[in-house]
Amino acid sequence: EAGVAQSPRYKIIEKRQSVAFWCNPISGHATLYWYQQILGQGPKLLIQFQNNGVVDDSQLPKDRFSAERLKGVDSTLKIQPAKLEDSAVYLCASSRRTGEGEKLFFGSGTQLSVL
Amino acid sequence: KQEVTQIPAALSVPEGENLVLNCSFTDSAIYNLQWFRQDPGKGLTSLLLIQSSQREQTSGRLNASLDKSSGRSTLYIAASQPGDSATYLCAVRPSNYGGSQGNLIFGKGTKLSVKP
Repeated sequence: EAGVAQSPRYKIIEKRQSVAFWCNPISGHATLYWYQQILGQGPKLLIQFQNNGVVDDSQLPKDRFSAERLKGVDSTLKIQPAKLEDSAVYLCASSRRTGEGEKLFFGSGTQLSVL
Repeated sequence: KQEVTQIPAALSVPEGENLVLNCSFTDSAIYNLQWFRQDPGKGLTSLLLIQSSQREQTSGRLNASLDKSSGRSTLYIAASQPGDSATYLCAVRPSNYGGSQGNLIFGKGTKLSVKP
């Protein structure tokens, strides 16, 4: 089966500019996550969707970050305006709950550099 | 607040060695624990998932153990190979009040280098 697709792979922008990332989860996976991974750190959850509804966005900086998942499939994450500290890899993951527990499948990520 | 710590931050071993990576967590109220592998420039790949009621899981040369009461997990890699070089991350899924599941909390990872 095809994996989680993300684009672009790399993005370089100046501070105060806007940027958007796209994610296409594995077919049939109802749950979609966006994580932020700063260099040398573990991933930190930004937002979780179940179908097209938000389950958890408690760690999303809502003054500058927004995300949507129209029709419960693809998702976009937007940053407007970007700050230097937003430089990180943005990972998308999806899951379908199984009997053994929820196993997450990750995309390759988008590496964002804010100059 | 749950915190996950991985020691060491980096490890270099010669090919063929057996090795152990450590993960500790501060709150024993967990639903499960997962070990992931991350290659440079890539996303995470799930290696092993241990439910809170389990003591260990095995997959090929990998064995993960869980001691929930002491807040520890280990990932054992047998007969290491250069292809095992990657960053290994441990993540716990908290068990919230009322039995609901929290979201994964990751450690910072252990960067493993296996020399030929």
